[in-house]
Amino acid sequence: ETGVTQTPRHLVMGMTNKKSLKCEQHLGHNAMYWYKQSAKKPLELMFVYNFKEQTENNSVPSRFSPECPNSSHLFLHLHTLQPEDSALYLCASSQVAGGEGDTQYFGPGTRLTVL
Amino acid sequence: KQEVTQIPAALSVPEGENLVLNCSFTDSAIYNLQWFRQDPGKGLTSLLLIQSSQREQTSGRLNASLDKSSGRSTLYIAASQPGDSATYLCAGVDSNYQLIWGAGTKLIIKP
Repeated sequence: ETGVTQTPRHLVMGMTNKKSLKCEQHLGHNAMYWYKQSAKKPLELMFVYNFKEQTENNSVPSRFSPECPNSSHLFLHLHTLQPEDSALYLCASSQVAGGEGDTQYFGPGTRLTVL
Repeated sequence: KQEVTQIPAALSVPEGENLVLNCSFTDSAIYNLQWFRQDPGKGLTSLLLIQSSQREQTSGRLNASLDKSSGRSTLYIAASQPGDSATYLCAGVDSNYQLIWGAGTKLIIKP
C-alpha cells in the first residue's frame, strides 16, 4: 500500500462512452501525475499538477481531460477514445514536482480497454 | 531528446544468482536516477534513488550505481530469490525536472 489509490482498477468502454478515472493520495503531497503505460513501451507522462495547477501537458489529445480539484484528488475524464488508448493508466504523487530528491509514489493503476 | 535504454529486455536466471540490470541515457545530463519495481497488474514501487551528488545507493540485497560521465546506471541484485521476479524500470530526472523512463527489464527468478 503506497498511499495512492486509483478507481476503478479495470474499465472497459466503447469508443462513444464517457468515463472518468479517479486518483486519491493520502500522503500530504502537493504534486500529482497521470502516466500512460502501454505494453513494452516506456511510461509516458501525460499531465502534471503542482499545488493544484497544471504544469505539464505532454501533447495529450483533448479526448483526455484532467481535473485536480485539490492536492489530494486527481481525475482523468475520458471521451470518444480510440482502441489505441487501451493501456494501464497510472497515477502518482510526490511532495513537490521537480524537487531535488523528489520521489514519486504510484497507485496500482487502471487497466483501460477501449472496444 | 533524452532517451533511456534498458538492457536486457528480459532475463531469466536460477535462484541464488547475482545479477546486473543495465540502464543507459542518451544525454548524460541527468540530475538523479531512480529504480522502480513493478509487479504484474500493479503500480510501481520505488527501490532506490540516487541523488545528483551521489554515485550509488544500497538497500538490502540491492545496489544501484550511477556514472553520469557515461550516462549509465546499474542495478545489482545479490542472491536472487523468486520473490524478486518483477519488471524493473529505471528513470532519470532530466534538465526539465521530468522523469524519463526506460521500457523496463522483465526479470524471472526460477526456483
